[in-house]
Amino acid sequence: AQTVTQSQPEMSVQEAETVTLSCTYDTSESNYYLFWYKQPPSRQMILVIRQEAYKQQNATENRFSVNFQKAAKSFSLKISDSQLGDTAMYFCALIQGAQKLVFGQGTRLTINP
Amino acid sequence: DADVTQTPRNRITKTGKRIMLECSQTKGHDRMYWYRQDPGLGLRLIYYSFDVKDINKGEISDGYSVSRQAQAKFSLSLESAIPNQTALYFCATSDITGASYNEQFFGPGTRLTVL
Repeated sequence: AQTVTQSQPEMSVQEAETVTLSCTYDTSESNYYLFWYKQPPSRQMILVIRQEAYKQQNATENRFSVNFQKAAKSFSLKISDSQLGDTAMYFCALIQGAQKLVFGQGTRLTINP
Repeated sequence: DADVTQTPRNRITKTGKRIMLECSQTKGHDRMYWYRQDPGLGLRLIYYSFDVKDINKGEISDGYSVSRQAQAKFSLSLESAIPNQTALYFCATSDITGASYNEQFFGPGTRLTVL
């Protein structure tokens, strides 16, 4: 069975700093997708970035980028020039085969002014 | 208007009561999902449906049932609510295409409290 682990329950940084959220996963499949979701206080689940396992190049979306280490089964999220609006819960997730998402436990990120 | 809606947004009920959470979507997607979010556990899959005639159990289906009334509607029922079913519940939808992955779109969530 696939699992996703986020070992940082909470993180806090100052505005404009760079922060990295960690995620490790386990799967027996060779093709799968990995995601980072953001959940602000509004509770809405927002897709931040996704990575296909077959692609060597790390995904980037504006200030958000990932460090995908397939052999190590690691998928970290880097937020550059952090903003107050980045304050949220962040979930790492994995999907394969039957299109069922498996989520990590979440990391609560606070950006301080 | 939101593409995926959930009603109610918040609900407080008592132990032993039957309760239904409803999900509707205007995205025209065939696949629908129900997830439960608990602090420290992330989101876990309760049930999923790939079309109107297809219902499947997820990771934590005990104590829940679902009904897919139409392509656009997928309801989650708690036949006899218990306090450990207090959680945030999300509905999600995805399309079926030839791609190996189809993005899931989430509703706004229902906060359920069972006293």
